[in-house]
This record gives sequence, structure tokens and C-alpha cells, in this order.
Amino acid sequence: DTGVSQDPRHKITKRGQNVTFRCDPISEHNRLYWYRQTLGQGPEFLTYFQNEAQLEKSRLLSDRFSAERPKGSFSTLEIQRTEQGDSAMYLCASSLEGQPKQYFGPGTRLTVT
Amino acid sequence: GQNIDQPTEMTATEGAIVQINCTYQTSGFNGLFWYQQHAGEAPTFLSYNVLDGLEEKGRFSSFLSRSKGYSYLLLKELQMKDSASYLCAVKEGGFKTIFGAGTRLFVKA
Repeated sequence: DTGVSQDPRHKITKRGQNVTFRCDPISEHNRLYWYRQTLGQGPEFLTYFQNEAQLEKSRLLSDRFSAERPKGSFSTLEIQRTEQGDSAMYLCASSLEGQPKQYFGPGTRLTVT
Repeated sequence: GQNIDQPTEMTATEGAIVQINCTYQTSGFNGLFWYQQHAGEAPTFLSYNVLDGLEEKGRFSSFLSRSKGYSYLLLKELQMKDSASYLCAVKEGGFKTIFGAGTRLFVKA
């Protein structure tokens, strides 16, 4: 069990640019979640995958955000035309079906200048 | 609406006991989590309550009252390493988990 990994750990980008983050869940976990966390707040749910199917998506996820999990393993989160308000920590978590416990990755910290 | 309330900050002394309260109003309920998060790190799982009552796990215990929309996390024999944020989170029906803003706990010598 190598844990959930995320890449990159830090990303600085200019407003208007597109960014993509990757999450590799624990290998046998079929459930994958994306969250966004800003300073002093708890994680905010963005979206959820069961295997390759995106089953739930927050209304926070505007049309500039898209997430995929093409083969039911790793997932990507893309933000198009980044805005300064997108600056946050983006956390990925995974879990095993039937188990409530979510294992979080170290996060990708995005700074939009 | 959805609301999870917990104190913003608490301070306690090494070796003491501290109780962190959480009240919630959510559109669904399928269990309540407590997570610990050290600054700059990912949240780590502490406990999960789905039925009323107290769950004890070492120095940490978690209590749930579904009728009152209330939970608490009890930390005993506080250590300096317990200084962290403690996040209360509710799993709604389906797959969505709603997190509170967290309680920053400072443990002093």
C-alpha cells in the first residue's frame, strides 16, 4: 500500500492558463474523490468516481473544471482559463467500496497569479 | 441548507483532556467522520460514527447523537503532536461528504 499520490505537489500559473492535476489512488480502491481546500476551511467536495464513471459532481464545479478517470485507475482534474479564485489546495481521496474511510493524498497546491 | 459548526480554535495543556464539539444540519445523513489535519498535510482518518453512542479508540473517542445533530471528539492525555486541525464531516446520502471548517487545537506545555 503506497498510499494516494498526487502530481504535481505545487503549481504556479498565470491567470487564463489551463492546468491539469493527476491523482493515483490506492490500487484496489474503486472510489475516487476530488476536493478543494482553501486556508482555514475544510475540504469542499468537487466530484466523485466509482471506477471510471463520474457519479456525482458539485455545483461548485463550473464548466471550466473537468475531471476524468478513463480506465478506472488514475484520475485527472483540469481547470481551464484559471482565475485567481481557483488558488487552493486540490485534494484527492480514494476508498474501497463498502468502506466509509477515505484516504487522502498530499494535495496539489495551486497558485494563480 | 447544509451546515456543520465547530469551534474555530481551542487551547489545552499537555496531559489534559479536550472535547471538540460539532453540530450539523445536512440534507441527508449516512455517518459522521472526524479527521485530523496537520498544517500543510492531508487529512487523516480518526473515526466514523453511524449509530448513536460512544466509540473509543485509544486516546481518541467520538460520540454521536443523531437526534440532536451533535457529535464530539474527545482527546485524552494530550501530547504536543496533537496540535492540529480537527475536521468534522458528514456523509450525506450518496457519496458526498460535507466538511466543517475545522477546529485548530493548540496544545501547550
